[in-house]
Formats: sequence, C-alpha cells, structure tokens
Amino acid sequence: DAKTTQPTSMDCAEGRAANLPCNHSTISGNEYVYWYRQIHSQGPQYIIHGLKNNETNEMASLIITEDRKSSTLILPHATLRDTAVYNCIVRVKTSYDKVIFGPGTSLSVIP
Amino acid sequence: GAVVSQHPSWVICKSGTSVKIECRSLDFQATTMFWYRQFPKQSLMLMATSNEGSKATYEQGVEKDKFLINHASLTLSTLTVTSAHPEDSSFYICSARDGGPRKASPLHFGNGTRLTVT
Repeated sequence: DAKTTQPTSMDCAEGRAANLPCNHSTISGNEYVYWYRQIHSQGPQYIIHGLKNNETNEMASLIITEDRKSSTLILPHATLRDTAVYNCIVRVKTSYDKVIFGPGTSLSVIP
Repeated sequence: GAVVSQHPSWVICKSGTSVKIECRSLDFQATTMFWYRQFPKQSLMLMATSNEGSKATYEQGVEKDKFLINHASLTLSTLTVTSAHPEDSSFYICSARDGGPRKASPLHFGNGTRLTVT
C-alpha cells in the first residue's frame, strides 16, 4: 500500500472548517483513499473514502486532487467532539489487505 | 452502518492468568478480522489477521502462542492473552471488513478492550 504523509498536529477553532491534508504521491490507480479518526480511548471510526471523485457524507467531505497525489478531509463545522487523531490511509480494496496505521494528525478543536 | 462489538470493554487480571477478548460483527459477515494493540500515545499496532476457518497470520514480533486467535465463525473472532504479564497491559482493538473482495469497503472497529495486568 502507498505511504501517506500527514502533519503531526493541527488546531481549529470551534465552528470553523477543519481542513486536514494528506500526501500520497505514490498512490496506485486502484488504490482508494480512506479516512479514519480515533477519539481518545475509543476504537477508530471510519469517516469517508474515495477513489478520484470528491466525496461527501454526513460527517465530512473528501477532496482528492486531479493527479490523486494528495487529498484533504474537510470537517465543515468543527465541534469539540471532533478532537481526535485523524488517519489517512490508501489501499487497494481486496479483503485480505491488512491496514497499517501511521501516527496521523492530532486535531485539537479549540473553543 | 456496520457494527463491530467488542467485549469486555475493560478487564483487570492477575499476572499469570489468561484473558479472552471477543470481537463480533453484528450485522455483517466478516471472513477477515484484524487485531490491534495500542500503547499510550502511540499508533495502533497490527498484531494479527484473523481468518475464518483457518490459522491467523501474526505480525513479526507477535508471539502466536501467547496471543491465541480463534475465528470460528463469520461473525466471531476471539483473542486470548495467555499467561498475562504487566507488560501486556494495553488497549486491544479488533476490526472487520463488511463486504466481499470486490467492494471498496472500509474497516469497522470495535470500541476496544482496556487490559490491565496486576
């Protein structure tokens, strides 16, 4: 699976949009971009995924650049409960792939 | 959405005893489940891949005789920490995939089990 690079930490003011970047310059054509987050002392939570088109769901939006070498997760109106570690992972979609988590981005939403 | 239930959510045991952690996919079938361990302020570390009906695949450095994995059905995998020691104290998390190999299905995670060995 392609490696990803994310900033170690970010701050965001409550109510503002949180934009979390992820670089995946070695992504292959059949690899999807997945985002997960882990709130302290809980299991990770799936947020969103995409291949090449931008995606939106009730939690977030995912913007993938045209060359697919980077993406941005957008939390449109961050709340204190969005404080968590966010992981960007790229992988093929076969069922036997193991998922390796990096350190991700620690997002702190500030009142 | 897909739900993964993990039990217990926390357990305290004495050194030398064994502890079993259950991971269930409640509304989907999972041929593959993954077990992770997480120490404070660290990333999730993959321990093993649990395959229904066959032996688990362990990551390098993880003792298969110490961390016994059984994936007896499409909805249940168990992790048994045998002869637990204080250094086994950690946060254990399971995950499972909803859907077959041709779907871009994400992993869904349990809420973790906090193990404390005294």
